Formats: sequence, structure tokens, C-alpha cells
Amino acid sequence: GQQVMQIPQYQHVQEGEDFTTYCNSSTTLSNIQWYKQRPGGHPVFLIQLVKSGEVKKQKRLTFQFGEAKKNSSLHITATQTTDVGTYFCAGPGTGRRALTFGSGTRLQVQP
Amino acid sequence: DVKVTQSSRYLVKRTGEKVFLECVQDMDHENMFWYRQDPGLGLRLIYFSYDVKMKEKGDIPEGYSVSREKKERFSLILESASTNQTSMYLCASSLFGAQPQHFGDGTRLSIL
Repeated sequence: GQQVMQIPQYQHVQEGEDFTTYCNSSTTLSNIQWYKQRPGGHPVFLIQLVKSGEVKKQKRLTFQFGEAKKNSSLHITATQTTDVGTYFCAGPGTGRRALTFGSGTRLQVQP
Repeated sequence: DVKVTQSSRYLVKRTGEKVFLECVQDMDHENMFWYRQDPGLGLRLIYFSYDVKMKEKGDIPEGYSVSREKKERFSLILESASTNQTSMYLCASSLFGAQPQHFGDGTRLSIL
């Protein structure tokens, strides 16, 4: 079945450093979504990308969807302690009305 | 704003018990989902429902069943709870298809 893989599993950065997480799907995706889960919280939807090569920005966060629509990345510029959490990508599952989530990247930011 | 409400934040049950986890959404969403989340394993889909009385198995349905009698409510049932079902359970809803999902706060279930 479809697989969505994320790397790295975990990253520890100093506050002010940049951070990137990568998401790769075994199949072409019609869209890709990103979620953030704060420690002790639940996943919260951040953004959806639909078009090949699409780039979207939310303040210090930059999201990209690959040309082949099989990979995506989330880049955070100048991390802050408020960025701490686990970031998940998710894409529509093949042949079903549900999402397949990546395993997530846990970000720790040292003040 | 969409609200997804799970009936309990914390629940402790004993092995062999029948356990019900309830989830209610207030936005008339077609789809509802149940996930379990374990450290290092991400979000794993147990079951989902795309309409009243309609359900579909996710990736790990064994040991679970679901019920959706009304559009706004989706229940997860552990028929005979076992210790390996100790986990965080998350409910979510989406307008339709594989659209963005809204999650509840989760139920941390411990089976003793």
C-alpha cells in the first residue's frame, strides 16, 4: 500500500537556527497537507498544497510541493521555542477517502 | 470554528472490559476518523466513516469496531480490551474525502 515517509525523525536545534523536514510518498499525490502537534496537544492543520511545484509561506514557515507531486518539504527560518512540536505530512490514501500520515518529525528548540 | 469533542481525556479500564470512546463534531462533516498514536509510530488509522452507518477499515482495525448512527457522532469500541491497546486515541473529522482534518484533544486510554 501507499507509504509516506518523513525524515528526520527528530531534530534538535538552537533557537535562531533553520530547520527542514522532508516528506516522500511512494505514489503521486493529488495534494499534501501539513500538521503541527505541540507536546501534549493534538495535530493542527497548517496548510494544503495542490499544484506541482507549489510554494507557500506562512511567516517563517515555507512549504514546497515537488514537481512530480511525490515529495514535499517544510522549512522554518530562524526557529523559536514556539516552534517546538511534531510536524506531520499527510496525503490522500490510494483508493480511499482518508489520509495517510507520515511518521512525523519531532523538533526540539534549545533557547 | 470546527469543534471535535472526545468524551474523556483520560480513561482507565481493565483487560476484558468492553470500552466505548465517543467523539462528536459540530460542523456537519461527512467524514470521521479514529487514530491511535504511539511513540515513534505516528498516527495510525483504525477506522473511518464517510457517511452515517458507513464505515471502512483503516490500517489497524483488529480488536476494534465502530458505530456511526448519527452524522455528528462516531464511536470507537474495544470489544475486549487488552493491555496492548493502551494508547492515545485521536478522533478527527473532515468535510469530505481526503480534505484537511480537525482533531479532538485525544483520549489517553490505559488498560490494566
